[in-house]
Amino acid sequence: AQSVSQHNHHVILSEAASLELGCNYSYGGTVNLFWYVQYPGQHLQLLLKYFSGDPLVKGIKGFEAEFIKSKFSFNLRKPSVQWSDTAEYFCAARRGGYQKVTFGTGTKLQVIP
Amino acid sequence: SQTIHQWPATLVQPVGSPLSLECTVEGTSNPNLYWYRQAAGRGLQLLFYSVGIGQISSEVPQNLSASRPQDRQFILSSKKLLLSDSGFYLCAWSVAGIGTEAFFGQGTRLTVV
Repeated sequence: AQSVSQHNHHVILSEAASLELGCNYSYGGTVNLFWYVQYPGQHLQLLLKYFSGDPLVKGIKGFEAEFIKSKFSFNLRKPSVQWSDTAEYFCAARRGGYQKVTFGTGTKLQVIP
Repeated sequence: SQTIHQWPATLVQPVGSPLSLECTVEGTSNPNLYWYRQAAGRGLQLLFYSVGIGQISSEVPQNLSASRPQDRQFILSSKKLLLSDSGFYLCAWSVAGIGTEAFFGQGTRLTVV
């Protein structure tokens, strides 16, 4: 079965701290990977995605993620967080050639000014 | 450009009553369509997805059903709601075939009383 794991459920950081949120998926072969963000009261938005090519993916608002195939991981990073990054972050995956998109349980990030 | 509409935004229904949530997509043809339920601490749970008219894949056995009567219309239904059906329901679409990220609607907050 396909699954996506996010091990950090709730993260609290001070402004300017660095961020890394973990994401692991459980199946082999070709995979498409995504990070979504949900700001308070807003709908889910795509932060970045990986389909192929350079395993280091740049997204919006200074976020990036690195696909490490050997570790089945796609961790999200940001060098310096801002208060406005307070949100819930979801990792998602789709097995190549399939249409089903599976999400992780989400990580709530709270940035303290 | 493509847009996704989901309604109603909020709904309060008594136990045992029927349910019909509707989702429509504009500006694209033959999209993949998804229904997710978002619960605190559980992330986004995929309920149903569809790759074409009349084609529904059910991911989780439950009190709900889905239908796709038209290419860009996806309906989530129940004949008799249970208290446990309360939650936040999200419709999403993605481009068929090549696979892209999923684009989400605003969601429906369902409270069963």
